[in-house]
Amino acid sequence: SQTIHQWPATLVQPVGSPLSLECTVEGTSNPNLYWYRQAAGRGLQLLFYSVGIGQISSEVPQNLSASRPQDRQFILSSKKLLLSDSGFYLCAWRQTGNYGYTFGSGTRLTVV
Amino acid sequence: GENVEQHPSTLSVQEGDSAVIKCTYSDSASNYFPWYKQELGKRPQLIIDIRSNVGEKKDQRIAVTLNKTAKHFSLHITETQPEDSAVYFCAASSGGSNYKLTFGKGTLLTVNP
Repeated sequence: SQTIHQWPATLVQPVGSPLSLECTVEGTSNPNLYWYRQAAGRGLQLLFYSVGIGQISSEVPQNLSASRPQDRQFILSSKKLLLSDSGFYLCAWRQTGNYGYTFGSGTRLTVV
Repeated sequence: GENVEQHPSTLSVQEGDSAVIKCTYSDSASNYFPWYKQELGKRPQLIIDIRSNVGEKKDQRIAVTLNKTAKHFSLHITETQPEDSAVYFCAASSGGSNYKLTFGKGTLLTVNP
């Protein structure tokens, strides 16, 4: 069966520090991968998505970047965090040809 | 791109009553409409979905209806229980090979015992 792993679960980082969040999917190949951010207002904002290795689409200009170095690995990064980067970051995947998303357990990031 | 509006933003019901959450979408090409439930501090989880070739789908106490002409869809929860308390999100697909979900802003449902 397919599973999605996301880590760390919580993270407290100072302003200006770098960030790396990792997401991996097991039990499938060539998944579509997504990074969402959920701020205090509850909405889910799509940040990046990827349909294959090295293929990244950005939805909103921001202080973050994403990379997909392997088929089932999706990384969210920042060189210098801002206070406004705080939030709940969710990775999600779907199998090409299917409709449903499955979300990872999320990373709660607090920038101080 | 797709735009999804969700109402109400908060909903409080008594245990045993029904709850209805409504969403509208803008892209007439959208063809997939899932609903997610998110409990406090946890990941959103798919509870029911509907494709554009049907008008209604039921799964025990929950049901979703779709009106493609009016571009709106609704979630119905009957015989609500305290464990139904959560934030509910509707979403619509933007279509195409990349397939992105656009989410509504969520509805905080509180079921009072």
